[in-house]
Formats: sequence, structure tokens, C-alpha cells
Amino acid sequence: QVQLVESGGGVVQPGRSLRLSCAASGITFRNYGMHWVRQAPGKGLEWVAVIWYDGSNKYYADSVKGRFTISRDNSKSTLFLQMNSLRAEDTAVYYCVSWRGDYNYFDYWGQGTLLTVSS
Amino acid sequence: QSALTQTPSASGSPGQSVTISCTGTSSDVGDYNYVSWYQQHPGKAPKLLIYGVSKRPSGVPDRFSGSKSGNTASLTVSGLQAEDEADYYCSSYAGSNNFHVVFGGGTKLTVL
Repeated sequence: QVQLVESGGGVVQPGRSLRLSCAASGITFRNYGMHWVRQAPGKGLEWVAVIWYDGSNKYYADSVKGRFTISRDNSKSTLFLQMNSLRAEDTAVYYCVSWRGDYNYFDYWGQGTLLTVSS
Repeated sequence: QSALTQTPSASGSPGQSVTISCTGTSSDVGDYNYVSWYQQHPGKAPKLLIYGVSKRPSGVPDRFSGSKSGNTASLTVSGLQAEDEADYYCSSYAGSNNFHVVFGGGTKLTVL
């Protein structure tokens, strides 16, 4: 049974930093590209970032480019999202999601972790 | 990175069929057969329904089907059931040169 368990969310002031983690089990983590997808309260899904299975490539949505950094530790089957210079509009549930590169789709989703950016 | 366009709401009675559309451009939906659909119940994570335009993962009922014509993809839910009431999102891969994935804005499906 595949499990993606996010952690690290919470309430943070604008301009501060936070790191999210996602622990994977039930999949061969090192074989999967991984994404962060977020959903602001009452809004739709927004793709945030992707990292290749081996960490060799990383891409970001324009809305977070230069502020967020995605990384992974395949030895610990863990995905990270370092978020700096946080803004109110970053408030969202952040989902860790695995990617299937054969047909380019989001496969398994975590339960999400809520980040609230507020003073 | 423009979002795909979905009708905000759709509805149908139990047993009926309803189709949800997802319109993109020739750079995403129209250029790749990599449209996927996700179902999201309130307070839950999205769940994969359809990938590769029309393929169903194991465990997804065959009441759910997908198709594509030009720049528009569609999800059809046949034999509507109460548990189908949820939000539905389409997504399309849009290129690997500068990796790009877009979502639709979502459609709230109400079972009357």
C-alpha cells in the first residue's frame, strides 16, 4: 500500500521560511519523479514543482520560482520543499504527489499539509 | 502557464450521464494525449480517475470514461451515483523543454 505522508505545515509570518517533508512508503521512491501540488482554501489545484527521480532536474511554477526549492533524499524515501520569502498567497494545502512518466500523470497523492501565511 | 478551462458546475440525477469538458490550447491538450482527470471529495486528497485521455486505473469503475477532440478533453460519468458528487479536475502535460503541467479550475458535480 502506497503512502505519502506530508509534514511540516503550520502558521508562519510573511517573509519567513518553512520546510515541508513527505515520507514515502510502498513505492520504490528512487524510481519516481515527484511533485508538490497546492490548493488554496476553496480554490483549485496548482502545480508547484517537480524533481526528477534522481534529482537531476527540477522545475518550478512561475509563482514560486526563486523562492521555493524542491529536493529529495532517495536513501530515506523523502521529498522536501524549502519555502522562503513566504507570502499570504502561498497559503494552501500542499500535496506530495508521485508522477508516472509513461503517460505523464499524477499517480499517488498524500493527504496534504496546510500552510498558513499570516501575520 | 494558463489554466485549462472547465465549467464551474455540472449536475445530474441518479442514473443519468453527465459530461464535464476541459478546454486547453494547441500547446497542451491539443498537442499531447496526456490528459488526466482527478476526483476530489471535500476534505480529501484528489484521486486519479483517468490518465492518457481515456485510460482507467485499476479500481476505477467503468462508469467513468474520458475522450478528447482537438483542444478539448471530456470526462463522462454514466449511471450517476450519490458518491460521484465531488469536484473534478482535468490536467494536461504541456512539454518537457521547461517542464509544464496545467490544471483546470475544477468542476463541482452535484447529484440531484
